[in-house]
Amino acid sequence: DQQVKQNSPSLSVQEGRISILNCDYTNSMFDYFLWYKKYPAEGPTFLISISSIKDKNEDGRFTVFLNKSAKHLSLHIVPSQPGDSAVYFCAGLNSGGGADGLTFGKGTHLIIQP
Amino acid sequence: DTAVSQTPKYLVTQMGNDKSIKCEQNLGHDTMYWYKQDSKKFLKIMFSYNNKELIINETVPNRFSPKSPDKAHLNLHINSLELGDSAVYFCASSQRSGIQETQYFGPGTRLLVL
Repeated sequence: DQQVKQNSPSLSVQEGRISILNCDYTNSMFDYFLWYKKYPAEGPTFLISISSIKDKNEDGRFTVFLNKSAKHLSLHIVPSQPGDSAVYFCAGLNSGGGADGLTFGKGTHLIIQP
Repeated sequence: DTAVSQTPKYLVTQMGNDKSIKCEQNLGHDTMYWYKQDSKKFLKIMFSYNNKELIINETVPNRFSPKSPDKAHLNLHINSLELGDSAVYFCASSQRSGIQETQYFGPGTRLLVL
């Protein structure tokens, strides 16, 4: 039972264009969402987060949008750069669930083409 | 000055052996976690440890046991290793602030059981 779904295993985008990574969740108890970036042979690195009381959070080239009614969030990267090529994981958290940890999606491999 | 560190980075061992993976965080966080990334690339929570309270994911076999000598360390001990234990194991730590909780991950330990 995947509570967090990233339906695109991979995404190829040209350098300079916008990258849009999508994520859907089913657990309505999630109230905090995070995006992590992962390079091969390294641990996930925190990128950006959003709480359920907001619908948008922006940090430099990265913007996360949350649509609670659709249980959908997306990560926008603009402009995309070669160093953005990595696997991106979406994660949900139930902050009232004690130390439950994050529930991750399967990841989307973003490839930025020159 | 790595925030979350794990040793060893690679571990190759025979079935039936007992092994430990060490994790240390220097962020002053009060919660630590172990995650497993299996061959299908899912990152799943195994344990969380907060102020001496251990929360276990019920799917984790009791051959796996976390040990925390102090707040900065959460080691993972595995008894009677099986082939299916081959995976990448990530340690993480966090400090909750309201509903916001960002987890920081170690580089991972790649375990191969032969």
